[in-house]
Amino acid sequence: SQQGEEDPQALSIQEGENATMNCSYKTSINNLQWYRQNSGRGLVHLILIRSNEREKHSGRLRVTLDTSKKSSSLLITASRAADTASYFCATVGYSTLTFGKGTMLLVSP
Amino acid sequence: DVKVTQSSRYLVKRTGEKVFLECVQDMDHENMFWYRQDPGLGLRLIYFSYDVKMKEKGDIPEGYSVSREKKERFSLILESASTNQTSMYLCASSFRIGRSGNTIYFGEGSWLTVV
Repeated sequence: SQQGEEDPQALSIQEGENATMNCSYKTSINNLQWYRQNSGRGLVHLILIRSNEREKHSGRLRVTLDTSKKSSSLLITASRAADTASYFCATVGYSTLTFGKGTMLLVSP
Repeated sequence: DVKVTQSSRYLVKRTGEKVFLECVQDMDHENMFWYRQDPGLGLRLIYFSYDVKMKEKGDIPEGYSVSREKKERFSLILESASTNQTSMYLCASSFRIGRSGNTIYFGEGSWLTVV
């Protein structure tokens, strides 16, 4: 299985701090994507990084990808209470995609 | 904006009932997926479809079937609902997997309680 595994399972920080979540996977990928899920809602796509890219930015989000270590990280800078959600990585292979179990982020005011 | 619409947000069904969960997407996506999500278990793939009338089993297909008669619609069927199928069900769609840059779009989820 090339399931992505997020780490940590849960993260609690204060507003204004940075939040870092990691994702590890097992086999070759085409691209890796990060998703956000507010409590009780569907998942929303945040950012996609291709296998030949090392870093990507989108607003306060920064994603890195290290294919040699089969790992990715999602950094949320200057976090806000509204960033409270679960974050999932999805690894996309040639014909498959697999989600990890997610990191639950709590940002306290 | 891409829209994936799940027909029911909350359902309560009795054990043994036949349950239909409907999903419609408006982006002409080839792929459609059904996941269930349970606390501590993440998203688990039930079935996916890569074209009309085509379907593939996911990780947990037992107790479920699917139907894709039209490209935009993917239905999940619980032939005889059981209490262990109480869960949140998520439908998703995308262009063909492997196409560079394909994004998966999710519906809002259907909360099913089987009593």
